[in-house]
Amino acid sequence: QQQVRQSSQSLTVWEGETAILNCSYENSAFDYFPWYQQFPGEGPALLIAIRSVSDKKEDGRFTIFFNKREKNLSLHIKDSQPGDSATYFCAARGNSGTYQRFGTGTKLQVVP
Amino acid sequence: NAGVIQTPRHKVTGKGQEATLWCEPISGHSAVFWYRQTIVQGLEFLTYFRNQAPIDDSGMPKERFSAQMPNQSHSTLKIQSTQPQDSAVYLCASSSDRNTGQLYFGEGSKLTVL
Repeated sequence: QQQVRQSSQSLTVWEGETAILNCSYENSAFDYFPWYQQFPGEGPALLIAIRSVSDKKEDGRFTIFFNKREKNLSLHIKDSQPGDSATYFCAARGNSGTYQRFGTGTKLQVVP
Repeated sequence: NAGVIQTPRHKVTGKGQEATLWCEPISGHSAVFWYRQTIVQGLEFLTYFRNQAPIDDSGMPKERFSAQMPNQSHSTLKIQSTQPQDSAVYLCASSSDRNTGQLYFGEGSKLTVL
């Protein structure tokens, strides 16, 4: 079963807008939530991550908002740029020593 | 640091043939993971090793898939009697941080089974 869900397969925003990518999960034991960015022909690369003890993590234009009670999180990309066009994967992991589960990805297109 | 190296980048096989994919993790990383990526399923976990020992292979399709890590510098994923549904990008990742488990992915091996 899909333990990590990304509700949108694709998202299109205009340059300069804030892109919001949503993710939800099922297992309350998950405590580490990374987001990966993937460009065509490349492997995913870690973009930003949050632990379940926090409700917000910010890194430049990228912010994760985390709601433990609702078991969902979102990635906000402020001032979106065409170079942000990529596929974004939400992932989750439980206690150390286990593997990360991934959502199916959201393909973001930023239109100039 | 060269990053995770995967070979071949592309492999085309006929149905029923065998395919072997190679992964060289980042030097010093203790964990190696294999994932399969398709449009429909996204990134599916297959198996992982820590300090060369197999830890969890719960994602591996039974019978035709096998993975090994004979030494700390490489891992292989072997698919016997390949089927068209095995067509996917196979991603290898390594990790040094047990606490966060940050993954460093290779560029993937795209397998096409005709």
